[in-house]
Amino acid sequence: EPEVTQTPSHQVTQMGQEVILRCVPISNHLYFYWYRQILGQKVEFLVSFYNNEISEKSEIFDDQFSVERPDGSNFTLKIRSTKLEDSAMYFCASSTSGGEQFFGPGTRLTVL
Amino acid sequence: DQQVKQNSPSLSVQEGRISILNCDYTNSMFDYFLWYKKYPAEGPTFLISISSIKDKNEDGRFTVFLNKSAKHLSLHIVPSQPGDSAVYFCAASTTDSWGKLQFGAGTQVVVTP
Repeated sequence: EPEVTQTPSHQVTQMGQEVILRCVPISNHLYFYWYRQILGQKVEFLVSFYNNEISEKSEIFDDQFSVERPDGSNFTLKIRSTKLEDSAMYFCASSTSGGEQFFGPGTRLTVL
Repeated sequence: DQQVKQNSPSLSVQEGRISILNCDYTNSMFDYFLWYKKYPAEGPTFLISISSIKDKNEDGRFTVFLNKSAKHLSLHIVPSQPGDSAVYFCAASTTDSWGKLQFGAGTQVVVTP
């Protein structure tokens, strides 16, 4: 069964450093998303991406964040200068259209 | 932003019995609702969804009920199995922002033998 994959599973970084989280969505999906879940809190929407551009972004997704689909398979989330409060699980998801989104296993980001 | 609420943080149910999970929402523009299940160290797994034009959707052991006037939906799992022990999230979206799922806080379900 096709699945969304994410790498790395755990990323530890120093405050102020740049991180890139990687995702490989399901191959025939056209819509891509990033969510995050801070420990003990809800899963929060960050951004949706379609046709090589951002469709929608939340207030969390400020200038420190960017997304890219550098080739036909990968979908990345970059955080330019990490803060302590960026520590969270980051989930990538994809979908064929509106409707159910399929989530990856997540990347745990720890900012020290 | 508490537009989707799951007021029960946990639920314990005996194997073979019915699990009923509840979700309330405040945004009347929500028109698509989903339930996800999540095991530790995994991402959310889609279970079942319902559009606002329906009041019930069934898939095997899972049934979702939607009461638009009460802004309430529920997930019924019958019969409950030990493998159903997980955190269950309710999520909702609008036609204008269909890709932006708004999640509830989750309900931890424990199915006991």
